Amino acid sequence: KQEVTQIPAALSVPEGENLVLNCSFTDSAIYNLQWFRQDPGKGLTSLLLIQSSQREQTSGRLNASLDKSSGRSTLYIAASQPGDSATYLCAVNDYKLSFGAGTTVTVRA
Amino acid sequence: EAQVTQNPRYLITVTGKKLTVTCSQNMNHEYMSWYRQDPGLGLRQIYYSMNVEVTDKGDVPEGYKVSRKEKRNFPLILESPSPNQTSLYFCASSLRDRSGGYNEQFFGPGTRLTVL
Repeated sequence: KQEVTQIPAALSVPEGENLVLNCSFTDSAIYNLQWFRQDPGKGLTSLLLIQSSQREQTSGRLNASLDKSSGRSTLYIAASQPGDSATYLCAVNDYKLSFGAGTTVTVRA
Repeated sequence: EAQVTQNPRYLITVTGKKLTVTCSQNMNHEYMSWYRQDPGLGLRQIYYSMNVEVTDKGDVPEGYKVSRKEKRNFPLILESPSPNQTSLYFCASSLRDRSGGYNEQFFGPGTRLTVL
């Protein structure tokens, strides 16, 4: 059974600092990996999707890398802003979507 | 606008009173699924459907039913709700590609259910 771990569980940074969020998974036979953002009590917004054949994916200030052999993905958010405060979830798709518990980010103004 | 919609968004009900949460997508996606999200337990899959008339259990199917009579709709049915089904529920959909895998998952806005 796929196990997905996100460390740290919570992170607080001053505005402008770069964010590094980690996701690890136990079974490297994945189809793709997706990063989501969730605001309190709200739905999931898809940020980035990385196919298993890709090493990284970029969208604006966001960059996600994938290392299947080591079972890791990292989400980088450059020049953080208070509006980036949210919980970030990674989900591994091996024909079934398995979620990590998330990293709750607070960006202090 | 491409989207997944859920209704109702909020529901308070009593133990044993049957209810249905509807889910609809307008993207012609083959794959649809239901999740529940609970504090400390994260998101867990309840049921999924790979296409019309094809459904299967996820990780926590007890107490739930689903049906997939049309491609766009995937309702979640609670025949006899109990307080432990109080949760935040999400519906999701995605395309299948030619190799059989699933592409980007799109989520609905969520349904907050309280069972008294």
